[in-house]
Amino acid sequence: NAGVTQTPKFQVLKTGQSMTLQCAQDMNHEYMSWYRQDPGMGLRLIHYSVGAGITDQGEVPNGYNVSRSTTEDFPLRLLSAAPSQTSVYFCASSSRAGPYEQYFGPGTRLTVT
Amino acid sequence: GQQLNQSPQSMFIQEGEDVSMNCTSSSIFNTWLWYKQDPGEGPVLLIALYKAGELTSNGRLTAQFGITRKDSFLNISASIPSDVGIYFCAGQLRTGNQFYFGTGTSLTVIP
Repeated sequence: NAGVTQTPKFQVLKTGQSMTLQCAQDMNHEYMSWYRQDPGMGLRLIHYSVGAGITDQGEVPNGYNVSRSTTEDFPLRLLSAAPSQTSVYFCASSSRAGPYEQYFGPGTRLTVT
Repeated sequence: GQQLNQSPQSMFIQEGEDVSMNCTSSSIFNTWLWYKQDPGEGPVLLIALYKAGELTSNGRLTAQFGITRKDSFLNISASIPSDVGIYFCAGQLRTGNQFYFGTGTSLTVIP
């Protein structure tokens, strides 16, 4: 089991560029989430999904899109990158049987210049 | 968004000492969680608490769900160097699926 994998590990973008952060899990978990982590702040929820085809907004969704076409994958799209989106992004998954036991990926460190 | 106030922000302790940290909120939470994050890694769940007054242990770690449902506490006994990291609390409101995270407590253990 690889658990939760995220790619890329590091990324530098220019303002206005778009990109997709990839997240995959091999635990057949129903729930998946994207968080961002900024210095001095806890993790903040961007978007989440309770199953394939179902997504919902979290605390800070603006500037990000998600889709969930399969159970395994939950990509996060930045439509037009801004310096305020410089952050570390974490993907997490959990099962319906244990929704609170989220397994986090290793993170993607994104810098927008 | 919800504000979870975590204290202290950082701690420097000698190996073998006990550690206490807490998390408070102005809102009532249904579930409290405690995570540890090592540098360059994602958070790892340590303890989950599901009802007011609950006291749960995981090895040298003990966490409590406050009676008011607005706070939670984490204690680490007899600290060791591998306890170094950032500890986060997280809570889930009575309604909704979202978890809200505290700002973290950075723990340094001096051998």
